[in-house]
Amino acid sequence: ETGVTQTPRHLVMGMTNKKSLKCEQHLGHNAMYWYKQSAKKPLELMFVYSLEERVENNSVPSRFSPECPNSSHLFLHLHTLQPEDSALYLCASSLVLEGAKNIQYFGAGTRLSVL
Amino acid sequence: GQSLEQPSEVTAVEGAIVQINCTYQTSGFYGLSWYQQHDGGAPTFLSYNALDGLEETGRFSSFLSRSDSYGYLLLQELQMKDSASYFCAVRDIRSGDSNYQLIWGAGTKLIIKP
Repeated sequence: ETGVTQTPRHLVMGMTNKKSLKCEQHLGHNAMYWYKQSAKKPLELMFVYSLEERVENNSVPSRFSPECPNSSHLFLHLHTLQPEDSALYLCASSLVLEGAKNIQYFGAGTRLSVL
Repeated sequence: GQSLEQPSEVTAVEGAIVQINCTYQTSGFYGLSWYQQHDGGAPTFLSYNALDGLEETGRFSSFLSRSDSYGYLLLQELQMKDSASYFCAVRDIRSGDSNYQLIWGAGTKLIIKP
């Protein structure tokens, strides 16, 4: 148990559906992240929130929409996805301090399949 | 561009020692981290090196040479439960003093045979 919980663990959706991924952390961290993990590729950082403000958006398509209502919760809203969006979506959190290690704690991920 | 290179797969025997290498090319450098991920599981933090040298944590050690932009993870007395993917990641210093970015390698799948 890492202290970061993601739901659902598996999701199958059609290209016209709208769904949301949820992440919750119980570690008192001040930053939360969404990553996309595809086989044999580096983790792709999608979004970063610090103190509920979005600080990074790495050129992610608008069909992915993040939401961070408070420091413990993070959502990723999905709509009109493409088959190439099928991947494992990982949420992480960390305590970001100047000069610190920025150790990230991950959830187990949501395995997304887009048909 | 910024990149980290690590072998895609390494095979070793139970009880042996294995070394997983990571070379990096980034615009800045704050430290090198290692994470372990079992199939179907979450990546979990293993170690962090900010200065040159060897850091030891039980059966796992991590080494860094900043002058060579190189590090490795050393696993001793391998156990079957060590079968997993291992990722190196560099904490980068970006413009605007962002503390948030980690640049990731593609991961090394460690296969352990009895």
